[in-house]
Amino acid sequence: QVDLVESGGGVVQPGESLRLSCAASGFTFNFHAMHWVRQAPGKGLEWVAAVSYDGQNPFYADSVKGRFTVSRDNSKNMFFLQVNRLTTEDTAMYFCARGMTQQWLLFDSWGQGTRVTVSS
Amino acid sequence: QVVVSQSPSASASLGASVNLTCTLSSGHANSAIAWHQQRPGKAPQSLMKLHSDGSHNKADGIPDRFSGSSSGADRYLTISSLQSDDEADYYCQTWVTGVTGFHVIFGRGTKLTVL
Repeated sequence: QVDLVESGGGVVQPGESLRLSCAASGFTFNFHAMHWVRQAPGKGLEWVAAVSYDGQNPFYADSVKGRFTVSRDNSKNMFFLQVNRLTTEDTAMYFCARGMTQQWLLFDSWGQGTRVTVSS
Repeated sequence: QVVVSQSPSASASLGASVNLTCTLSSGHANSAIAWHQQRPGKAPQSLMKLHSDGSHNKADGIPDRFSGSSSGADRYLTISSLQSDDEADYYCQTWVTGVTGFHVIFGRGTKLTVL
């Protein structure tokens, strides 16, 4: 059974940083690209970042490019999002999601999310 | 650029069927999509991958009441024998690629009310 468990969220002030983690289990982790998706309060889903199955290729939405860094550790089945220079517009629930094997840009599993609140 | 469009809301009675529609923009009519369900206060849950020819691959554990179909640029999610638990937001997801790379795109979601 696929399981994705996020952690690392919290309440921070503008300009601060956080490292979000996603622990994966129940599948062959290094077969799948992994994604971060966020959802601001009362809003829809927004894709944030992704990393290829081998960790060699990161990808970012324009809204976070230069501030967020995505990475993974295939030896530990872990997936990360370093979020820097946070603003109030980054306040959201952050979900990790697994890319499908035959189309890595579509998702077939989601974690429960970790909440990030940016407030002064 | 608007790539996917969804009606903001839909409603149907308990035990009835409902069709939710995701419409792809011109130029993307051949794209596959994914449907996701998000119950209130919960994380999204993947329902299926839906191809332009109407074939679909459902995620593990998704009941037979959920099915998908396609017609041109429209991608449909049909839920039959509606249950109260089906009341949720339903998102379609696709992607576009271009010279600047790719974009993962979500529709704005359809809020389904079960009467």
